Parts: sequence; structure tokens; C-alpha cells
Amino acid sequence: NAGVTQTPKFQVLKTGQSMTLQCAQDMNHEYMSWYRQDPGMGLRLIHYSVGAGITDQGEVPNGYNVSRSTTEDFPLRLLSAAPSQTSVYFCASTRAGTDTQYFGPGTRLTVL
Amino acid sequence: DAKTTQPPSMDCAEGRAANLPCNHSTISGNEYVYWYRQIHSQGPQYIIHGLKNNETNEMASLIITEDRKSSTLILPHATLRDTAVYYCIVRVARNTGNQFYFGTGTSLTVIP
Repeated sequence: NAGVTQTPKFQVLKTGQSMTLQCAQDMNHEYMSWYRQDPGMGLRLIHYSVGAGITDQGEVPNGYNVSRSTTEDFPLRLLSAAPSQTSVYFCASTRAGTDTQYFGPGTRLTVL
Repeated sequence: DAKTTQPPSMDCAEGRAANLPCNHSTISGNEYVYWYRQIHSQGPQYIIHGLKNNETNEMASLIITEDRKSSTLILPHATLRDTAVYYCIVRVARNTGNQFYFGTGTSLTVIP
């Protein structure tokens, strides 16, 4: 199993550009989540999903959209990037009935 | 509002027990305490979790006070590979799934 994979590893955007961060897992986990981590800070939940077709907002959802059309994939879309969205983004997946989250390696995003 | 508070940094001698404290004074009765760690800038790694009782696994022990307002993660014999940022997390159950609230973490340095 590859576990949780994220692409790209690094990305630089200009203010106003849009892009999609990809997250995929091959463990057939029902739950998936997106977090952001700012320098010196803990992780903050952006959006999460408890299954295909079901998503909900976390602590800091503004400026981000998600969808969950399959169990495996949970992309995060930035509609109009802002410098405040410069951060490291982590995706995680969890098997239903457990609470152990498996994290991906992260995507480092810089918005100029 | 922060759900957990932790000291920003700690040192521990190699081979000694590392005791990492966490305050979660506003925790509710059905909210679990989780501990994760993050080595360098990798994705966080699960360590242990508990609700009321003390817990132990192959990695660590978790001691939760009777009033549940604080807890301590114990690494019984710290090694250099335990150098990491340790996060104390409150898991909040929502109708649409569980949300994890990370604190700012404790940077543990294990000294040879």
C-alpha cells in the first residue's frame, strides 16, 4: 500500500490564481481530512469527509472547496489564492470505527 | 479558543523518561485526548489516545488526571529518534464526524 499520497510536493502561485491539491489513499478509508500548518503552529482542520459524496467544514474553511466523488480521492481547491494561504497542507485518512489518522507527506504552497 | 496548552519546548536525556504535560481545562465529558508527533516536517504520526483511564501501548503511556483537565504523555526510555514536536489534541465528536483540534505542540529534544 502507498498509504496517503499528495501532489504536488511544492507549489508557487501568484495571488488570484487557482489550483487543486490532490490527495489519494489506497487503504479504503472512509474518512478523509485536509489540514493546514502555518509556521510554528499546530494543524488546523480545513474540510473533512466521512464518505463519498459527504463533506463538511472544519475550523478554517474560507477560501477552499472540496468534493469527494470517490472513496480514494479528496482534492482541495483554492479558488483565488491569497498570500494568507501560504502554508503546508496535509491530507489524512481514517478507517471508520477508529480514530487513528494516517497523514500524507504534505504540500508546501507559497502564494506570492 | 485553544483547546489545549503545552510548553513550547523541553529537553530530555537519552535513556531517561520524557514527561510531556498538556492542559485541556475546557474538555467535555465525551471528548478524547489524542497525542501525535511530527518529526521534521513530515506528516504527524499517531501515538496514543484516551478518554478517562490511563493508557499504555508499545510507544508510550498516557496519564489523564481524574478531573480530565490535564494529561501527561510519557515516553519511558527516550531515544534520539524521539526528537520531534509532540501535539496534544482534543477530539470533538460532531454529527458529521470527528474533528481534531491540535495545539501548538511541544518541541522535544533528546540529548545524547
